[in-house]
Amino acid sequence: DTGVSQNPRHKITKRGQNVTFRCDPISEHNRLYWYRQTLGQGPEFLTYFQNEAQLEKSRLLSDRFSAERPKGSFSTLEIQRTEQGDSAMYLCASTEGTIYLSRETQYFGPGTRLLVL
Amino acid sequence: SQQGEEDPQALSIQEGENATMNCSYKTSINNLQWYRQNSGRGLVHLILIRSNEREKHSGRLRVTLDTSKKSSSLLITASRAADTASYFCATAAPLTQGGSEKLVFGKGTKLTVNP
Repeated sequence: DTGVSQNPRHKITKRGQNVTFRCDPISEHNRLYWYRQTLGQGPEFLTYFQNEAQLEKSRLLSDRFSAERPKGSFSTLEIQRTEQGDSAMYLCASTEGTIYLSRETQYFGPGTRLLVL
Repeated sequence: SQQGEEDPQALSIQEGENATMNCSYKTSINNLQWYRQNSGRGLVHLILIRSNEREKHSGRLRVTLDTSKKSSSLLITASRAADTASYFCATAAPLTQGGSEKLVFGKGTKLTVNP
């Protein structure tokens, strides 16, 4: 039984560089979510995919952020021109659901911790 | 913005003691969930309680929900050092498309269980 996996687990980068994170959801889950968690806070929603379609984006997701889920399986989150304020834990979660049935429990990966110097 | 607010922010107890954490939220809910996060790691789902339930048990965990007060509590009985973690309550807010929901978390309670 494989859960949600994320790579890399840690990333240190210099301000202005681009970074990309990957999330592999649980295989039968068609819904995928990205959250961001800063120190001392709970996770905050960034964006949501149903299959390959990105259906919702938070206002936290500035123009420097882009997320994809090209084949409805794994997803990538890219941050361009990183800033120190981007330093956070980026969490991915997945669940299964249709418009007729929604599973409430989201299963989280271990996260990618980003540090921008 | 944070929906749930946990109380206390930090809690330190001895192994074997019970730990109680509280969560308050602002809007009406269909369910409330509790998650655990070990230091620097992802979140692990602990328990979900629906709005028509008042109490739910899972092993050493007991969750209560009072929708009239918009509050929930998580009780961990006979705590162990391995229970040391941050605990978050989460409520679901509907997304505009796709029939899904996002989870809205509080800031969490940091629990330390001393051996």
